[in-house]
Amino acid sequence: GAGVSQSPRYKVAKRGQDVALRCDPISGHVSLFWYQQALGQGPEFLTYFQNEAQLDKSGLPSDRFFAERPEGSVSTLKIQRTQQEDSAVYLCASSLGTLGPYGYTFGSGTRLTVV
Amino acid sequence: AQTVTQSQPEMSVQEAETVTLSCTYDTSENNYYLFWYKQPPSRQMILVIRQEAYKQQNATENRFSVNFQKAAKSFSLKISDSQLGDTAMYFCALQIPNTNAGKSTFGDGTTLTVKP
Repeated sequence: GAGVSQSPRYKVAKRGQDVALRCDPISGHVSLFWYQQALGQGPEFLTYFQNEAQLDKSGLPSDRFFAERPEGSVSTLKIQRTQQEDSAVYLCASSLGTLGPYGYTFGSGTRLTVV
Repeated sequence: AQTVTQSQPEMSVQEAETVTLSCTYDTSENNYYLFWYKQPPSRQMILVIRQEAYKQQNATENRFSVNFQKAAKSFSLKISDSQLGDTAMYFCALQIPNTNAGKSTFGDGTTLTVKP
């Protein structure tokens, strides 16, 4: 597609509920990143995929967070048993790669509110 | 580990004037990339300008330019002829090229308001 598409744009979850956030990157972008952004702060790294391989998941805050990109295109970030501290904007970004100064193309984000 | 520091949480500038946003970073790597991203209110983040560490020449993109001081680990963004549409949060980011990682580290941002 022309840009990175994320859905849903907004999600309200009751504490303890499972949620799934979707990211559809730019076609041909092999690198895909998930970031978490708290209000008024910079994005914090969660996880990185190169094609379908999850090469870095060091930023996932707990084992309640799980991400996948099974066919090297669309990615899903799943949060199980949501907690209030999970409330944030979740940003997906894709890139041509990580060996050149390509930078990221970001999606519009999913704002998750846990009540 | 990499760190990025933006010491100016908020700045303002009059329309048509020039403003400079500061960014310092720390890394032990010699090869890296630096970026400035713009995040307008309630809109998605977009890439403004990029700099490769091995290039001495400062990058420019229309009204946007950088002052890259590698020895000082400083990477400031200058916006000339500021426009109302430049109002946004600006993030400085550092990326180490690496096939198996390559994540970017972001600063906490500077909120820029352009006043008419």
